[in-house]
Amino acid sequence: EIVLTQSPTTTAASPGEKVTITCLASSSVSNMYWYQQKSGASPKLLIYSTSSLASGVPDRFSGSGSGTSYSLTINTMEAEDAATYYCQQWSSNPLTFGSGTKLEIK
Amino acid sequence: VQLVESGGGLVQPGKSLKLSCSASGFTFSSYGMHWIRQAPGKGLDWVAYISSSSGTVYADAVKGRFTISRDNAKNTLYLQLNSLKSEDTAIYYCARRDYGGPLDYWGQGVMVTVSS
Repeated sequence: EIVLTQSPTTTAASPGEKVTITCLASSSVSNMYWYQQKSGASPKLLIYSTSSLASGVPDRFSGSGSGTSYSLTINTMEAEDAATYYCQQWSSNPLTFGSGTKLEIK
Repeated sequence: VQLVESGGGLVQPGKSLKLSCSASGFTFSSYGMHWIRQAPGKGLDWVAYISSSSGTVYADAVKGRFTISRDNAKNTLYLQLNSLKSEDTAIYYCARRDYGGPLDYWGQGVMVTVSS
């Protein structure tokens, strides 16, 4: 099983600040996906195929990485970005998610 | 695209439950579908996948106890949960697998509570 380790576990950012969330895989994966989950809501796809923005996602979000190291960046933090973020892989079974990064607004 | 789960509730350990996920707004038969769960206050935990041709894959934690299936005529995905344990308590989400691989649409989730 490929374990995805996200860091930080929790973080806070001021409006306008840049935020980077890291996802390290225990083995190399070909693609990474990122989801945003706001309190009480279902997860929403943000990034697919490592760096492609899902439909309707603001361009302040971006993804990058390869092999075992991936990241999600929010270029300028906005209050509505407060949420928990998960990375996900399915390069091999089973499909796995990272443990999540809770992002709060300062 | 809309995915609506139903069938959740309170069930005793060892008992069974069947979840449904009604799909609309897309050609259901052309897409693979997942079940993912989230225990209260915890992260996302993948449960099972069924391809458009009805091939299935399961997480080890549910293999032999849960069964994923689909009825393309009814545009409905199912998850049969047997021999339920307290650790199966969670919100269960169905999600569509897009052609490129991501889970691009999720339902609102249905709560399953396993308790005596």
